[in-house]
Amino acid sequence: GQQLNQSPQSMFIQEGEDVSMNCTSSSIFNTWLWYKQEPGEGPVLLIALYKAGELTSNGRLTAQFGITRKDSFLNISASIPSDVGIYFCAGQKETSGSRLTFGEGTQLTVNP
Amino acid sequence: GAGVSQSPSNKVTEKGKDVELRCDPISGHTALYWYRQSLGQGLEFLIYFQGNSAPDKSGLPSDRFSAERTGGSVSTLTIQRTQQEDSAVYLCASSVRAPNSNQPQHFGDGTRLSIL
Repeated sequence: GQQLNQSPQSMFIQEGEDVSMNCTSSSIFNTWLWYKQEPGEGPVLLIALYKAGELTSNGRLTAQFGITRKDSFLNISASIPSDVGIYFCAGQKETSGSRLTFGEGTQLTVNP
Repeated sequence: GAGVSQSPSNKVTEKGKDVELRCDPISGHTALYWYRQSLGQGLEFLIYFQGNSAPDKSGLPSDRFSAERTGGSVSTLTIQRTQQEDSAVYLCASSVRAPNSNQPQHFGDGTRLSIL
């Protein structure tokens, strides 16, 4: 079953606001990834984190790999309507060649 | 395109029938994964292939589920004697398998399976 606790479950924000979501785990992961999923599509990779303490940005997105290797957060700055979707965190025990364990997702709604 | 391709995109079938779902990974990706996503849920791991072998199939929920991969490329997930609880989106992902190298998984758009 699921090992990752993702919060919040949903967010309703105004365009231009910043957003923060996070994931925690009871076990250590060596890789943390953040995906975005839109209706009828598969998850699309946003950011991949491979080192404890790593802080990585991708445009308006910033994610960090917690130093305990049991948590990660994702921030979205200056949100726009096309940010709408479900954001998933995922942990992986190895850098490649092993399963992903997913959080339950954060449903983001951005009001124009 | 160059992404992971899955077919069919939608499948509706009657309870008790067998179904086959297909995944065509990104060219050159040796690792292939199957996941299942129930409505409003995160993804649940099913099975992982490295080449044609499956080092981890611990996520398959019952012996009605099986998967194979041939030629190190296309994979087929088969569900026998389908039940209503099998209704979900079945997603496939692939990645390069490279020791000491960071290689994330890239997903297809999934097959939405509905069991009547």
